[in-house]
Amino acid sequence: EIVLTQSPATLSLSPGEGATLSCRASQNVGSYLAWYQQKVGQAPRLLIYDASNRTTGIPARFSGSGSGTDFTLTISSLEPEDFAVYYCQERSYWPPRTFGQGTKLEIK
Amino acid sequence: QVTLRESGPALVKPTETLTLTCTFSGFSLSTSGMCVSWIRQPPGKALEWLALIDWDDDKYYSTSLKTRLTISKDTSKNQVVLTMTDMDPVDTGTYYCARVRWMHYFDYWGQGTLVTVSS
Repeated sequence: EIVLTQSPATLSLSPGEGATLSCRASQNVGSYLAWYQQKVGQAPRLLIYDASNRTTGIPARFSGSGSGTDFTLTISSLEPEDFAVYYCQERSYWPPRTFGQGTKLEIK
Repeated sequence: QVTLRESGPALVKPTETLTLTCTFSGFSLSTSGMCVSWIRQPPGKALEWLALIDWDDDKYYSTSLKTRLTISKDTSKNQVVLTMTDMDPVDTGTYYCARVRWMHYFDYWGQGTLVTVSS
């Protein structure tokens, strides 16, 4: 079973700064990786799919990159509403069963 | 538009069976490629995938929980039901249902329902 390892566990930044979140897969998942954002008390929201495609309505400051085993979610300039927990998830095998353990993006 | 809503008991006792219902609208589970999944999240912890049912009534379960889980659908009612037997306090958490299209990702989620397991 594929394991997704996210780093760092917590990232402390200020609004306006850029953020880089990492997700590493234990085996090759191609480009079949998604990123979700979860705010406190809310359900996760799909941000990025197939490594680099933004879901409709997601601001351009969010971008995804990577393939194979190493993936990155970049937020170019943090807005106050971006502070949340971010999860990666892969779908190289059906069903899409694996999530990372999450990165908490908190205000410094 | 697509919506999903989870319903079920907020409190169950250890060893009891949990039954959760996901009622959805805006899509049909009889449409080729459509699937509904259950995902849970213990308080303060990560997401854990539980089960999935597809338009063709194929069912998939978490390897670690498959002996305790049953997923089913009622296409006419736009509902998916998850049962989990032998509940334990470690099963406490928020349970979400989510739509997923074949070979895609969880694009719509319910708001979640908090289930507490306690005597």
